[in-house]
Amino acid sequence: DVKVTQSSRYLVKRTGEKVFLECVQDMDHENMFWYRQDPGLGLRLIYFSYDVKMKEKGDIPEGYSVSREKKERFSLILESASTNQTSMYLCASSFAFGIADAYNEQFFGPGTRLTVL
Amino acid sequence: ELKVEQNPLFLSMQEGKNYTIYCNYSTTSDRLYWYRQDPGKSLESLFVLLSNGAVKQEGRLMASLDTKARLSTLHITAAVHDLSATYFCAVDISRGSQGNLIFGKGTKLSVKP
Repeated sequence: DVKVTQSSRYLVKRTGEKVFLECVQDMDHENMFWYRQDPGLGLRLIYFSYDVKMKEKGDIPEGYSVSREKKERFSLILESASTNQTSMYLCASSFAFGIADAYNEQFFGPGTRLTVL
Repeated sequence: ELKVEQNPLFLSMQEGKNYTIYCNYSTTSDRLYWYRQDPGKSLESLFVLLSNGAVKQEGRLMASLDTKARLSTLHITAAVHDLSATYFCAVDISRGSQGNLIFGKGTKLSVKP
């Protein structure tokens, strides 16, 4: 079974703090994603990565950065946390785009509920 | 603008009844995924639909895909309380800069006795 793990289930931080959210997958997936989920807004893509050290902005990258130094690990960084970044953060992974006969189903981690006070 | 619209967003059903959730999308795609999310939990994959006319069934849930109509349906047969959850469809747009899946806003299903 695919396993995607996230470093914390719940996190409480103060405004202005630097926050690191870690995600690890064990399926040798090329792609990794960070989403945030808010009531009424669904899932919104923050960043994704299709290879080590590669990243692309999603729909809402402002206030976030990412790091992918190893294939299995994808980190989301809030440089200076703000209250409007209080949310559920979901990490996901999938095989590379367009592999013949494979599909791009994403597998999700358990989520990190972040509260910024 | 790419859009994935689910309908309805909220659904309250009685046990034993049937209903269909609709997922319309605005771009060309022949791959679509359905996920389930229980309260406070993450997303769990339900169905992978890879071509026009694809139909998948698991227990009381059946999903289908019509790529020409850009429509997928999730049909619930004889609902039971255990099906209460939020269901998301996600359209595969793998060549886009937005990443490979665009999610609908989800349909929150509540099944009551």
